[in-house]
Amino acid sequence: SQELEQSPQSLIVQEGKNLTINCTSSKTLYGLYWYKQKYGEGLIFLMMLQKGGEEKSHEKITAKLDEKKQQSSLHITASQPSHAGIYLCGADSVNYQLIWGAGTKLIIKP
Amino acid sequence: EAGVAQSPRYKIIEKRQSVAFWCNPISGHATLYWYQQILGQGPKLLIQFQNNGVVDDSQLPKDRFSAERLKGVDSTLKIQPAKLEDSAVYLCASSSQRTAGYGYTFGSGTRLTVV
Repeated sequence: SQELEQSPQSLIVQEGKNLTINCTSSKTLYGLYWYKQKYGEGLIFLMMLQKGGEEKSHEKITAKLDEKKQQSSLHITASQPSHAGIYLCGADSVNYQLIWGAGTKLIIKP
Repeated sequence: EAGVAQSPRYKIIEKRQSVAFWCNPISGHATLYWYQQILGQGPKLLIQFQNNGVVDDSQLPKDRFSAERLKGVDSTLKIQPAKLEDSAVYLCASSSQRTAGYGYTFGSGTRLTVV
């Protein structure tokens, strides 16, 4: 069965600095999704990637899917306190389900 | 477009008590999912409905958990009796089948604490 591994598990970053979160799959990715979650709350959709080499940006967040479609990275430029939270990657699986990584907890230090 | 509505937002119960969660999906979304998310982990699928039929409930602990989706719209997830390890956030999501993951919309979740 397919598994998603996220790294790092947690990250503390000084406000204004850049950071990268990775999501690695044990199998080829056919749809990769990034979500953000505030502690104990629902998930908010950020971006979806499907094609090898694809890159999407929203405000200061950029996500990429590598050519082999087995790894995705999420990059935040000039981090702000509003970026703090848990970032989860999900991947298309059977029966219109998503499988999930364990999440990366991001803390922004002022 | 209204989002996925969940209630309650928070619930604290003692072990062996019962609890129920409610979810109202986005209008027209045929697929509804219930997830359990334990702190520090990704969401774990408990049950997936397509309209009012069950697509997948393989990870639902059926000795204590039950779920129904009446008339293919609202859904209720029940735990009876609750155990300490059921403490988690329970997430409801709905999607339009044709858009699969892209169409996923999550509710705000219910944070359950079992003491």
